[in-house]
Amino acid sequence: EIVLTQSPDFQSVTPKEKVTITCRASQSIGSSLHWYQQKPDQSPKLLIKYASQSISGVPSRFSGSGSGTDFTLTINSLEAEDAAAYYCHQSSSLPQTFGQGTRLEIK
Amino acid sequence: EVQLVESGGGLVKPGGSLRLSCAASGFTFSNAWMNWVRQAPGKGLEWVGRIKSKTDGGTTDYAAPVKGRFTISRDDSKNTLYLQMNSLKTEDTAVYYCTTTGITPWGQGTLVIVSS
Repeated sequence: EIVLTQSPDFQSVTPKEKVTITCRASQSIGSSLHWYQQKPDQSPKLLIKYASQSISGVPSRFSGSGSGTDFTLTINSLEAEDAAAYYCHQSSSLPQTFGQGTRLEIK
Repeated sequence: EVQLVESGGGLVKPGGSLRLSCAASGFTFSNAWMNWVRQAPGKGLEWVGRIKSKTDGGTTDYAAPVKGRFTISRDDSKNTLYLQMNSLKTEDTAVYYCTTTGITPWGQGTLVIVSS
């Protein structure tokens, strides 16, 4: 089973700050890595697919990069509405797995 | 517009059964490899299982905790995905989502509570 380890687990940030969340896979997954945002009492929302592909309707301040085992989600110029949990997810091999999540708090 | 609408959740006793449904629209369901993902209260996301498209064999795969107890099926004529859950345990309590990689948005999920 491929283990995805996100860092940090929690981050408190101020608006307009740049945020970087990393996801490290226990073995190479190519570009089969996806990022989700989940706000309280809502279902997860796809932000980035296949490591760096943007999703229609998602603000351009969200971007993704990486391949192999190391991936990054970057949020440029953070907004108050970005307070949420963020998860990475690999679909390269079974069982599919998710990172443990990163909770982002806005100061 | 993509829509995934899960239903069928509820309260069930340990050892009981439940069948979840997911009605899909806005994309070519018959071509999609569909997944079930769950989220226990206050916890992270967990992949439950997957069914391939019939064109790709229609085979299923399951996570270890549910293998032998859960069965995924599909009815492409109805654009509907199913999850038959048997021998339910308290640790199966979660919101269940149907998904397919790269498709957004997810549905609202359906809550399954396994409790005596």
